[in-house]
Amino acid sequence: GAVVSQHPSWVICKSGTSVKIECRSLDFQATTMFWYRQFPKQSLMLMATSNEGSKATYEQGVEKDKFLINHASLTLSTLTVTSAHPEDSSFYICSATRLAGFLETQYFGPGTRLLVL
Amino acid sequence: QKEVEQDPGPLSVPEGAIVSLNCTYSNSAFQYFMWYRQYSRKGPELLMYTYSSGNKEDGRFTAQVDKSSKYISLFIRDSQPSDSATYLCAMKGTSYDKVIFGPGTSLSVIP
Repeated sequence: GAVVSQHPSWVICKSGTSVKIECRSLDFQATTMFWYRQFPKQSLMLMATSNEGSKATYEQGVEKDKFLINHASLTLSTLTVTSAHPEDSSFYICSATRLAGFLETQYFGPGTRLLVL
Repeated sequence: QKEVEQDPGPLSVPEGAIVSLNCTYSNSAFQYFMWYRQYSRKGPELLMYTYSSGNKEDGRFTAQVDKSSKYISLFIRDSQPSDSATYLCAMKGTSYDKVIFGPGTSLSVIP
């Protein structure tokens, strides 16, 4: 299957600092990447859809100035949590879409656990 | 009514049992159906991907889609402790639509 990596896998930071999370599709080019947030024992919450070379589309209720997304190339998207606060502590997961025939399949990264102190 | 509903469990079964996981949905436009497995503290892993109604088998896993009832299932035969995870159903209308995920069912297979 397709491989999607995320870096870092976990990060601890002080309140008020910014944290950047990278998402890479390692063996395919992804025109679309997604960023999700997941709280313990809950399902995935879509935060934004990121298309290469254009601005991200944010879901309702997600602050675009707080969660900056950059999709610089077909294999890399970054999520920056600006001025992080303890309530931003969560598990952040990216996914990348790959077209195989007529099926567009979403492959997920391993996730990044963020803890804001 | 939520678009996709799934019993959160937890579901606990003995090793070797047949497991049945199910989702119901409300949007009749959904045509693409997926099952993901997510181990604790890991990203979801695609298990099965089906289009429209019918069955699809892959090893110990069988996915069933009944669009008339808006009901999908994942069966796991000869369940193993390594199958212990949360299983998420997911679906979308067209190939390029946003995927809608169910809340997930937590499964424990007891040795």
